[in-house]
Amino acid sequence: GNSVTQMEGPVTLSEEAFLTINCTYTATGYPSLFWYVQYPGEGLQLLLKATKADDKGSNKGFEATYRKETTSFHLEKGSVQVSDSAVYFCALGPGGGSYIPTFGRGTSLIVHP
Amino acid sequence: NAGVMQNPRHLVRRRGQEARLRCSPMKGHSHVYWYRQLPEEGLKFMVYLQKENIIDESGMPKERFSAEFPKEGPSILRIQQVVRGDSAAYFCASSQSPASPGETQYFGPGTRLLVL
Repeated sequence: GNSVTQMEGPVTLSEEAFLTINCTYTATGYPSLFWYVQYPGEGLQLLLKATKADDKGSNKGFEATYRKETTSFHLEKGSVQVSDSAVYFCALGPGGGSYIPTFGRGTSLIVHP
Repeated sequence: NAGVMQNPRHLVRRRGQEARLRCSPMKGHSHVYWYRQLPEEGLKFMVYLQKENIIDESGMPKERFSAEFPKEGPSILRIQQVVRGDSAAYFCASSQSPASPGETQYFGPGTRLLVL
């Protein structure tokens, strides 16, 4: 079955530092890949996505590239802000006959001024 | 264009009571998912419904939990005889075409259930 592995958190950075949150997956077929973000007290919201190999998703300075050869979808941002503090979830879209997406456990990011 | 709505946002119940959580999907969406999130844990899938049908309830406990999505009105997640371990945030998400590549799930703000 499908699975997603994210790096354990929390990730603690100073403002303007470079961010990488690793995500690897196992999947049947070629599912779409997503990053969702959850701010404190809120629901998840889509941050970016990619639907096929070598696609790069980007939004708000974040980006991630769909790497089929390494089965990865790492999230990066060149310069984080305090307002980026949140929990980030990597996810696989439905596939392999299932309509259920697969979410990683989430990685908490804490950015200090 | 209203997003996914959930109510109540916070719910306090005593052990043994019933909890009813409501979810109104985005306009035009007929696919609803329920998830549970425990503190410091990830998102756990519970059930997937379409209008008037439960498609996949593999993540839902067999006892005390039930879900419905009637032809009219919101989807309901019902927890009977709540216990302290049911305390969690419950999120609803909706989508238009789950099988379409790149199809996004739209999440509500969640209901935070506290069982005393």
